[in-house]
Amino acid sequence: EVQVLESGGGLVQPGGSLRLSCEASGFTFSSYAMSWVRQAPGKGLEWVSGISGSGGSTYYGDSVNGRFTISRDNSKNTLYLQMNSLRAEDTAVYSCAKGEDSGSYEPFDYWGQGTLVTVSS
Amino acid sequence: SYELTQPSSVSVSPGQTARITCSGDVLAKKYARWFQQKPGQAPVLVIYKDSERPSGIPERFSGSSSGTTVTLTISGAHVEDEADYYCYSAADNKGEFGGGTKLTVL
Repeated sequence: EVQVLESGGGLVQPGGSLRLSCEASGFTFSSYAMSWVRQAPGKGLEWVSGISGSGGSTYYGDSVNGRFTISRDNSKNTLYLQMNSLRAEDTAVYSCAKGEDSGSYEPFDYWGQGTLVTVSS
Repeated sequence: SYELTQPSSVSVSPGQTARITCSGDVLAKKYARWFQQKPGQAPVLVIYKDSERPSGIPERFSGSSSGTTVTLTISGAHVEDEADYYCYSAADNKGEFGGGTKLTVL
């Protein structure tokens, strides 16, 4: 059974940092690109970042480019999102999603339930 | 950047056909996906490549494309289809969701 499980969310002050993790199981992790998608409370979905199966290619949305870094450890079947210089508008539930293949950084068929990040003083 | 525009809400009675549109210049060149999200749940892919249906998705869900507009059609909507629906596409190595459409079936 395919599963993806996020962790690492919490309360952080503006300007602070946080690292999110997404542990995957039930599929050959290195064969699939992965992405992060967020949803602010009561708002719609926002694509945040994507990474190829090998980790060699990374992609970012305009609102996080230069502040967030996506990475993966295929030996641990784990996806990461390092978030720096956090702002109040980054407050959201962050979910990871499995891609369609190794090169497609877009969310596809399996999503986690997400982890809540709250940026507030 | 680019935008994908959806109606904020659509309402139908059970058994009727629901149509949700998504418009954007990028859709003339790139495929769209549709995700269904029910309250408190993770999104579920219901259509990809404009009109392909993943395994396990009921046949009443279909997708179509014309120019810069894609349409999600639910033929004979069920009460359990009530949810938020988001279109999605990507260009220039960036993904983008539409603003979402709340489908009410009652």
